[in-house]
Amino acid sequence: EIVLTQSPGTLSLSPGERATLSCRASQSVSSSFLAWYQQKPGQAPRLLIYGASSRATGIPDRFSGSGSGTDFTLTITRLEPEDFAVYYCQQYGKSSWTFGQGTKVEIK
Amino acid sequence: QVQLVQAGGEVKKPGASVNVSCQASGYRFIGYYLHWVRQAPGQGLEWVGWINPNTGDTNYSQKFQDRVTLTRDTSINTAYMELSRLTYDDTAIYYCATTDIVYYRFVRWGQGTLVTVSS
Repeated sequence: EIVLTQSPGTLSLSPGERATLSCRASQSVSSSFLAWYQQKPGQAPRLLIYGASSRATGIPDRFSGSGSGTDFTLTITRLEPEDFAVYYCQQYGKSSWTFGQGTKVEIK
Repeated sequence: QVQLVQAGGEVKKPGASVNVSCQASGYRFIGYYLHWVRQAPGQGLEWVGWINPNTGDTNYSQKFQDRVTLTRDTSINTAYMELSRLTYDDTAIYYCATTDIVYYRFVRWGQGTLVTVSS
């Protein structure tokens, strides 16, 4: 099973700042099968990025994804108040899906 | 409108089984894999398994292999997850979600069903 490790665990930033979230895989992941989700309290996760770098429908362009192999990054260029949430990376491989443990982006 | 609607919460005793339902509407039910993902209180997301609603084929996470059964009823566009031999650690929100077969991304999510294991 591929293990995804996200860092940092918590990111304390102010609105308008840039957020950089990391997702590292225990073995190589196909970029086609790496996604990012946002989850707010009391809500189901929402797809942000798929294929490592493609934005899902309706996702603002301040969200971007990059990376390949074992290292992937989600960047939020200028944090808006509604962006403070928990973010998860997810991969698919060998008929199995796994998630990272999440990065919480909180207001500083 | 595309929806996955899950039944309300359940309270079960340790050792019991729970059956959670997920009714799909607004899209072709048999066209997308239907997954179950759980989230313990304050914790991250954990994949449980999937069912192909068209064929009934299933695939389970090794962690749940011997305790989970996924089924579906295509006549009412509903999928079910049965989890047996419950322990306190199974207390969680259980989400159903669909993936496509191109990017294997979770596109649609149900609202979640809270399963509480309590004596």
